[in-house]
Amino acid sequence: GAGVSQSPSNKVTEKGKDVELRCDPISGHTALYWYRQSLGQGLEFLIYFQGNSAPDKSGLPSDRFSAERTGGSVSTLTIQRTQQEDSAVYLCASSLLGGNYGYTFGSGTRLTVV
Amino acid sequence: GENVEQHPSTLSVQEGDSAVIKCTYSDSASNYFPWYKQELGKGPQLIIDIRSNVGEKKDQRIAVTLNKTAKHFSLHITETQPEDSAVYFCAASTNNNNDMRFGAGTRLTVKP
Repeated sequence: GAGVSQSPSNKVTEKGKDVELRCDPISGHTALYWYRQSLGQGLEFLIYFQGNSAPDKSGLPSDRFSAERTGGSVSTLTIQRTQQEDSAVYLCASSLLGGNYGYTFGSGTRLTVV
Repeated sequence: GENVEQHPSTLSVQEGDSAVIKCTYSDSASNYFPWYKQELGKGPQLIIDIRSNVGEKKDQRIAVTLNKTAKHFSLHITETQPEDSAVYFCAASTNNNNDMRFGAGTRLTVKP
């Protein structure tokens, strides 16, 4: 597609359950980023993938969070044993080469943990 | 690392007036400064960017200025329209692929 696609757009889950969020970046974009945006807040960096290099996981808030990117394309963000504080919008962005070339964001997944 | 501060956090203007949002950055090596607009329920969208080799860039009603000496840059929107109402984020990065830092955002409301 022409843009970054994220699914699902909304997810409601019970506390303690695991969730998987998916991101399809723009074809050919080597860089992929995950951000978290809490209600009315700014963008919190989570993880960064660049080509076949080891990902930068420095922003992951706890070991319950993990992400992978298969074949340099689709990425999945997994949150295990969800907590209420995990409720937020999770945004994925891709870039042709990296941040110095601008990001294209998806519309996000709104996660609600009840 | 880079720290980006953005002001104001909220801004309300009358339709037709101008709006200015200001950001400061800390890393003198930063050389790329994008601005993003986020409408309700959507992801941020790149609306304009500027690199450190220029001082100003315009695109219709939107302009961005950069003062490298003072380490600040600003977004100017002229002749505001209700559809300009959104949250605007500034950001700064260097040549490093993963050091883009975002401001906290400005919620702009344009009253008809």
